Amino acid sequence: DTEVTQTPKHLVMGMTNKKSLKCEQHMGHRAMYWYKQKAKKPPELMFVYSYEKLSINESVPSRFSPECPNSSLLNLHLHALQPEDSALYLCASSQFGLAGEQETQYFGPGTRLLVL
Amino acid sequence: AQSVTQPDIHITVSEGASLELRCNYSYGATPYLFWYVQSPGQGLQLLLKYFSGDTLVQGIKGFEAEFKRSQSSFNLRKPSVHWSDAAEYFCAVGIHYGGSQGNLIFGKGTKLSVKP
Repeated sequence: DTEVTQTPKHLVMGMTNKKSLKCEQHMGHRAMYWYKQKAKKPPELMFVYSYEKLSINESVPSRFSPECPNSSLLNLHLHALQPEDSALYLCASSQFGLAGEQETQYFGPGTRLLVL
Repeated sequence: AQSVTQPDIHITVSEGASLELRCNYSYGATPYLFWYVQSPGQGLQLLLKYFSGDTLVQGIKGFEAEFKRSQSSFNLRKPSVHWSDAAEYFCAVGIHYGGSQGNLIFGKGTKLSVKP
């Protein structure tokens, strides 16, 4: 099973709202990732969690706040977003193990976010 | 610096025709190479990967790719395209950061359209 789930599928929020995106995997993977993808572009890495600790933050604005409550769950808390933050937000995970396996990322279906 | 180039932004093929999507990479060490496919509004699905060994790798949905070190290429092929193959295709190089996570450097993608 190589499934990563994400909720919600779609989200519309105003610039003053607070919302959260959720990602879950039950593959025993110890690295989890958040990506942002704009239309017709490749995914852009936002955050990486390794063993539930934030290991990479790609200079993402503080209105995006990640959280990894346990090894299976990854959240992205959103607050005071801007219309330009509208995008597809993808979650991915990878396992610890042999060389190459740690680079193999499995993606969820994404959350389509629209900020009004 | 590591990079991935997909020279073709958009390719159109007739259903039943053969397909080759090009990918060139720049990476100093042995590359971990991936092809992902993304249908509109969906997440990325792993088609195949190359770590080492046999330079011709088989993937899902009838796709294969060939690693050519001398040309720094990892081209994706399919002998007979189906209408359902219409999607965006991303080539990626995997880089190991240490710990349990790796990073993916994506190409800009190739959009495949299929004519009836």
